[in-house]
Amino acid sequence: DQQVKQNSPSLSVQEGRISILNCDYTNSMFDYFLWYKKYPAEGPTFLISISSIKDKNEDGRFTVFLNKSAKHLSLHIVPSQPGDSAVYFCAGGGNMRFGAGTRLTVKP
Amino acid sequence: NAGVMQNPRHLVRRRGQEARLRCSPMKGHSHVYWYRQLPEEGLKFMVYLQKENIIDESGMPKERFSAEFPKEGPSILRIQQVVRGDSAAYFCASSVRGTQGSQPQHFGDGTRLSIL
Repeated sequence: DQQVKQNSPSLSVQEGRISILNCDYTNSMFDYFLWYKKYPAEGPTFLISISSIKDKNEDGRFTVFLNKSAKHLSLHIVPSQPGDSAVYFCAGGGNMRFGAGTRLTVKP
Repeated sequence: NAGVMQNPRHLVRRRGQEARLRCSPMKGHSHVYWYRQLPEEGLKFMVYLQKENIIDESGMPKERFSAEFPKEGPSILRIQQVVRGDSAAYFCASSVRGTQGSQPQHFGDGTRLSIL
């Protein structure tokens, strides 16, 4: 049951530009969504979350947008930095349903 | 302030052997989660435990896999009679409270299981 989907396996952007990572979900009962970042050979680390009662949450360079009618959320990173290169996972469903991840590469 | 500790980091087993993966949650965390990541795939939820109780094992294969989180000591994920398809990275996570709300999970660095 793939309740959380990340349809773009990879994304490449230039340093300083915006990175937009997308995530779709099917279960309208999810009340929170979280984004995690993962470097190779390490476990995921929590990045930012959003409640289903909000449509935007911002933390520094990271902003998450939620469109409940479309069951879609996105993570914006502005400006992108080479250190942001990692795999990004979105999660919902009590934090236990993860998407397949999107590998972001930020080129200097 | 140790994070989630998983050991071993790498485990090699031959087909038919048993694999035991250990996870010590962060101090003060009583909720533990196990995930499996196959190559080039995302994290698949396996099981959620609270001290001495299995809360949700809906992602765990019905056979050969078991998990426990005893009152004392680490959580253990046990795989009996391993097969090649069990080769994966197994991640453990912990949290202070359960799955409600925005409670983020803290992950260990995983155990990479290789089956010969």
